[in-house]
This record gives sequence, structure tokens and C-alpha cells, in this order.
Amino acid sequence: EAAVTQSPRSKVAVTGGKVTLSCHQTNNHDYMYWYRQDTGHGLRLIHYSYVADSTEKGDIPDGYKASRPSQENFSLILELASLSQTAVYFCASSDWGGATLYFGSGTRLTVL
Amino acid sequence: AQSVTQPDARVTVSEGASLQLRCKYSYSATPYLFWYVQYPRQGLQLLLKYYSGDPVVQGVNGFEAEFSKSNSSFHLRKASVHWSDSAVYFCAVRPAGAKLTFGGGTRLTVRP
Repeated sequence: EAAVTQSPRSKVAVTGGKVTLSCHQTNNHDYMYWYRQDTGHGLRLIHYSYVADSTEKGDIPDGYKASRPSQENFSLILELASLSQTAVYFCASSDWGGATLYFGSGTRLTVL
Repeated sequence: AQSVTQPDARVTVSEGASLQLRCKYSYSATPYLFWYVQYPRQGLQLLLKYYSGDPVVQGVNGFEAEFSKSNSSFHLRKASVHWSDSAVYFCAVRPAGAKLTFGGGTRLTVRP
């Protein structure tokens, strides 16, 4: 049973529209992360959180917001989607900052 | 600048051949080191990790990696690859007090 579940699996959005990507984990982990993966590139950290109701900026936070309403749920919000945000987005969780990350299956976002 | 480099974007080997995927990092102190694998249309999964101690660490599915402090490297090896090993492999590094950073990935193709 998948311990990190992302929804939707794929999404097509229009430029300037609002997009919300959701992530739910059943690992009882404190840390959750949002990464983006561009074709042929590694993962880059957008936002992360180590406790509910608090989020931290990662390496590429511009154009993204995050929300952690509970330990289990972590959302990524694109208020004004842009073409450059077309990518695959991965959510992950870990039980401490240096521990193994457990990834969801990803959300493929296409902005037109 | 601090970085993680996987110099080979693509590697092709024949089934049954040995494999080495390279990873080099540039950090002043020894970080935590990881190898993750990404199968098609899936999230990343941990293959192995190194925190300290024996520089050769064993992972799943016959993979191992060797940490070299003198070379600032953490190369991944497998004695005999199988077609099912075809995937993208990511080296990741977490320096003390910093966030996890991924290399650009190496796409492995195993020819039958």
C-alpha cells in the first residue's frame, strides 16, 4: 500500500490559472517535501515542512506556495501558473531531516 | 560551489555485464550519501545510503556503493546487471545542517 499518495496523477492547466497539487502520507513522518523534476534533470527542492502549520522555502520557491494543514497532508499551490512550471512534481516524506525520503509517484503538470 | 555531479547522463550495458555509475560531490565535510532509483512512471526509491563506517555499503538488488573521502566520490556498482535494472539512478548528498541535493541522474539502459 502506497505510503505517499499524490493527486492528481496528471493535470493540464492554463497559463495564469491556479493549480493545487496534493500529497498525503501514512508514514507518520514529520518531514514532507515538494520537488520538481524537469526532463533530463535531477530533482530540485521547492518547499518543505517539518511540522504542521509551518513550511520552509527550498531552493526554488519562487512562484510556489505550500500548505501543511496536518502531519499527513502537504499541498503545493501555484497561484498563477506559468509555462515554465511545466514539470513532474514529487512529494516525499522522511522521519527526520537526514533520513531516507519516501516518494510519491509524481504529478505530471502541463501548463498551456 | 557545493554540488553533486553525475558525469554520465546515459550508460548502456549488456545484460550480465558489470556496472559502475559515478557520483562526485564537492562539500567541505563528509555528507550523508544516497543512491536512489527511478523506474518509469514511478517515484524515486532508495537503493542504499552511507552515513559513516565501512566505506562499502550494500543495497537492494545486488547494488553496492563505495565512499571515497580522498576522491569525494560515492560510485554505485553492480557485478551483473539484469534488464530490469534499466532505470534512472540519482546520487544525492546531504551535508550536515543542509538540505538534500540531487545529482542530475544517469539513465541506465540494459541491452538484452
